[in-house]
Amino acid sequence: DTGVSQDPRHKITKRGQNVTFRCDPISEHNRLYWYRQTLGQGPEFLTYFQNEAQLEKSRLLSDRFSAERPKGSFSTLEIQRTEQGDSAMYLCASSHGTNTEAFFGQGTRLTVV
Amino acid sequence: GENVEQHPSTLSVQEGDSAVIKCTYSDSASNYFPWYKQELGKGPQLIIDIRSNVGEKKDQRIAVTLNKTAKHFSLHITETQPEDSAVYFCAAGDSNYQLIWGAGTKLIIKP
Repeated sequence: DTGVSQDPRHKITKRGQNVTFRCDPISEHNRLYWYRQTLGQGPEFLTYFQNEAQLEKSRLLSDRFSAERPKGSFSTLEIQRTEQGDSAMYLCASSHGTNTEAFFGQGTRLTVV
Repeated sequence: GENVEQHPSTLSVQEGDSAVIKCTYSDSASNYFPWYKQELGKGPQLIIDIRSNVGEKKDQRIAVTLNKTAKHFSLHITETQPEDSAVYFCAAGDSNYQLIWGAGTKLIIKP
């Protein structure tokens, strides 16, 4: 399967713990995006990378959240000191350049208990 | 802030009938309007998109119309089939990463 891959698919963590998610985009896609989706809502933009550079961050991305894409390929999203409000589906997408279709992964569902 | 409103939240149609989902947006600078289909446990998948220099676009059973003056755009699915059952999202923006998404419409196709 050469689509966008996310790992893990599901994560249950206790409040206050740190979690890290991984996204492997489609090969040669230079743009990578992170979104958050809560139940019954559309995805909300968090941040995006062009190659290894993080070019935009939403105000939704508090200082507990950090994303990296060190070699311009895979990306990680870390949430520190998780809170119950962080429970959501975290979606990753990639595209080749601007104004082209963004392909989404299946998401990582985070539950904070 | 900018927002996109989507209606209805749930739509139930008989198999073979047509389905219409409507969205309105607030940012007059928006010029890209994609529609995504999301099945249970999967990420959203682009099904059709339209840009502000086009009023209508069709791809087989799916069509999208855009009225920039009224800031409305709509998704039309004809001859609905069971596999069309899913949640559909509209979005508006000026680039992929600046998309503002609607809240989604759950489409149910009754056999």
